[in-house]
Amino acid sequence: GGIITQTPKFLIGQEGQKLTLKCQQNFNHDTMYWYRQDSGKGLRLIYYSITENDLQKGDLSEGYDASREKKSSFSLTVTSAQKNEMAVFLCASSRGLGGSETLYFGSGTRLTVL
Amino acid sequence: QQQVRQSPQSLTVWEGETAILNCSYEDSTFDYFPWYHQFPGESPALLIAIRPVSNKKEDGRFTIFFNKREKKFSLHIADSQPGDSATYFCAASDSNNRIFFGDGTQLVVKP
Repeated sequence: GGIITQTPKFLIGQEGQKLTLKCQQNFNHDTMYWYRQDSGKGLRLIYYSITENDLQKGDLSEGYDASREKKSSFSLTVTSAQKNEMAVFLCASSRGLGGSETLYFGSGTRLTVL
Repeated sequence: QQQVRQSPQSLTVWEGETAILNCSYEDSTFDYFPWYHQFPGESPALLIAIRPVSNKKEDGRFTIFFNKREKKFSLHIADSQPGDSATYFCAASDSNNRIFFGDGTQLVVKP
């Protein structure tokens, strides 16, 4: 088994601030993902990475940057936080290439922008 | 354009009934269709999945029915239990590792 650790669990920011969310996995999985979940909504793909130093944009990448400097870690940066923004950011990983692998999710980072 | 559409948004059934959750998709290149469930305060977890070579996949009380021609698939939960109450997400993925989720169905099973 393994675990995905997201830090911080709660993040409060100010409008315009640059904010970084971190994700670590010890599954030794190749592919990692960042999703955004708004209240009552599904998961929307922000970025994903199929290997170290690889980055692929999802449908919601505008306003975000990502970095995969190591196989085990994947970070997400909100480049300029939007006022009153509230969402949960979920990191996930899967074993290999191809979308038919199970996603394992972390417990999320809950973002609130004042 | 939303790649995966899910309905209903919420569903209430009585214990013992069959709950039916529906999804449709746009991209005919999608080749894997999982369902995830999410309990309050927890993260999503895989429940069951199907590939388009099959039109049915069963796992205990959970069955996926898949219609490739109509680009639709559904999750049937037989003999629903109160412990099945959760939000269920359908998803579809392509060979580029992109996985798209529906907006979810909030299922409540009343005892």
